[in-house]
Amino acid sequence: QQPVQSPQAVILREGEDAVINCSSSKALYSVHWYRQKHGEAPVFLMILLKGGEQKGHEKISASFNEKKQQSSLYLTASQLSYSGTYFCGTEIYDDKIIFGKGTRLHILP
Amino acid sequence: GAGVSQSPSNKVTEKGKDVELRCDPISGHTALYWYRQSLGQGLEFLIYFQGNSAPDKSGLPSDRFSAERTGGSVSTLTIQRTQQEDSAVYLCASSFAPPGNTIYFGEGSWLTVV
Repeated sequence: QQPVQSPQAVILREGEDAVINCSSSKALYSVHWYRQKHGEAPVFLMILLKGGEQKGHEKISASFNEKKQQSSLYLTASQLSYSGTYFCGTEIYDDKIIFGKGTRLHILP
Repeated sequence: GAGVSQSPSNKVTEKGKDVELRCDPISGHTALYWYRQSLGQGLEFLIYFQGNSAPDKSGLPSDRFSAERTGGSVSTLTIQRTQQEDSAVYLCASSFAPPGNTIYFGEGSWLTVV
């Protein structure tokens, strides 16, 4: 039931783009994206709901393909502050949120 | 309070001792989650409360782990007879009633078993 994230790790230069993917074997109600910096709690980035509603930060974009049970997080013109581990969490209707193993993103100056 | 509050923030305990970790969710949030994060690892689901009841305890690693929630608010995660493999950060999160609501994490309780 745990979603699968890819890639496991990414190294970028500042200004480059990245895509992080998340897929589930179950039909999803929502997908949640979080970023965690070392030694800190995960911070909310975006939630994508079945039916197309999205809530989140203006500078973050993501997609949710309900049929394929997949979501992607798009990081464009990356900044040093984007470094961290990104987690997707998947929610089946009225059930717990389960997180993937994370994608480590490192931005080089 | 303004955010999810967890205590203690750090706990060092001897192997075999019991520990209690406390979570005070955001006011008005009916859903409460506990996750465990070992060093450099992902977020492992432990238990989920809706109000005072726990519809899903499937993530508790063993019968040494238990959790309760009273008054639809504060939750306590108890680990009995701690083992070294219990060393991790225990993260609590809360949200308005699911589905489809954002969960907000506390800063975590860092547990070290020596």
